[in-house]
Amino acid sequence: SQTIHQWPATLVQPVGSPLSLECTVEGTSNPNLYWYRQAAGRGLQLLFYSVGIGQISSEVPQNLSASRPQDRQFILSSKKLLLSDSGFYLCAWQGQGIEQYFGPGTRLTVT
Amino acid sequence: QKEVEQNSGPLSVPEGAIASLNCTYSDRGSQSFFWYRQYSGKSPELIMSIYSNGDKEDGRFTAQLNKASQYVSLLIRDSQPSDSATYLCAVGSSASKIIFGSGTRLSIRP
Repeated sequence: SQTIHQWPATLVQPVGSPLSLECTVEGTSNPNLYWYRQAAGRGLQLLFYSVGIGQISSEVPQNLSASRPQDRQFILSSKKLLLSDSGFYLCAWQGQGIEQYFGPGTRLTVT
Repeated sequence: QKEVEQNSGPLSVPEGAIASLNCTYSDRGSQSFFWYRQYSGKSPELIMSIYSNGDKEDGRFTAQLNKASQYVSLLIRDSQPSDSATYLCAVGSSASKIIFGSGTRLSIRP
């Protein structure tokens, strides 16, 4: 069966510091992968998605970037965090249809 | 812009009653519809998918789809305190993207 991992689970970072969040998927090959952000009490905002290694589509212009160095690895990065980057970051993979399955998430607080 | 609308709630339902959650969407060409449950502090969990008009039942959950009215609903029978969560409606936007509503917060009171 498929499993999706995210780490770290929680992170507290100062403004201006770099960020690297990692997502890996097991049990499937060449999945579509997604990064979402959920601000407190808000809906899901699609940040990036990838249909294959090295293929990244950006949905919202911002100071974040994404990379997919391996088939089942998706990384979200920033060179300098802003206060507004705080939120719950969710990685998801797409199933057989177009349904998506989420990882456990990373809660980021920028101070 | 394609949108998915939900009442934010909270919707308060007594234990044992039927909870009814509703969702409307703007893209008439949408073909895939989903309900996710999200407990506080946790990630969303897929609980129902529906692709054709009518009802789809899975245990205590029933998803209803009316494409002509661009309306999706989720019924939860015999509501339990463990059903208290935020329910996200999601609609397929393309072959690779889903648009999520902002969610309805459901509270089951004992």
